[in-house]
Amino acid sequence: KQEVTQIPAALSVPEGENLVLNCSFTDSAIYNLQWFRQDPGKGLTSLLLIQSSQREQTSGRLNASLDKSSGRSTLYIAASQPGDSATYLCAPSFGFGNEKLTFGTGTRLTIIP
Amino acid sequence: DTGVSQDPRHKITKRGQNVTFRCDPISEHNRLYWYRQTLGQGPEFLTYFQNEAQLEKSRLLSDRFSAERPKGSFSTLEIQRTEQGDSAMYLCASSSTYVNQPQHFGDGTRLSIL
Repeated sequence: KQEVTQIPAALSVPEGENLVLNCSFTDSAIYNLQWFRQDPGKGLTSLLLIQSSQREQTSGRLNASLDKSSGRSTLYIAASQPGDSATYLCAPSFGFGNEKLTFGTGTRLTIIP
Repeated sequence: DTGVSQDPRHKITKRGQNVTFRCDPISEHNRLYWYRQTLGQGPEFLTYFQNEAQLEKSRLLSDRFSAERPKGSFSTLEIQRTEQGDSAMYLCASSSTYVNQPQHFGDGTRLSIL
């Protein structure tokens, strides 16, 4: 059974700081990995998808990295803003054709103005 | 592109009643997924459709749960004889069949069992 772990469970940082969120998974045979944000009571917003053949993917202030051999992904957020406050979830998929996602429990991020 | 739409947003029902949720995926997406999320946890996979075919069901999906996707468009998820443990957020996602395409989620249906 694939397991996904996100550490820390919660993180508070002052506005303007750069930060890194961590995700680890037990099965290195991933197909791709998505990072999402979830605001309270809402659905998930897709931030980045990184393919198994890629090492990094960037979108604006966000950068996701992937190291399949060690079973790790990180999400780097530059110049954090209060609007970045949310729960961040990583979700690898392990199957080609049926890309069901396996989620971690998330990191709850609070940016302090 | 209007995004993934789910209805209703909230459902409160008594234990033992049947409930049905609807998901309208992004129009050109062939793949549709249902997930369930309980408080403080990440979503868990329930079932997956490609077009109208239901190709996988999780062991989490007991025989009280049934999902359909007639004509490969919208999907419904029905829960019969609801139990307290069914209280959760039910999330729908869709994606295209091209390789490495992201899943896009709706805002979910929050189910509360009294």
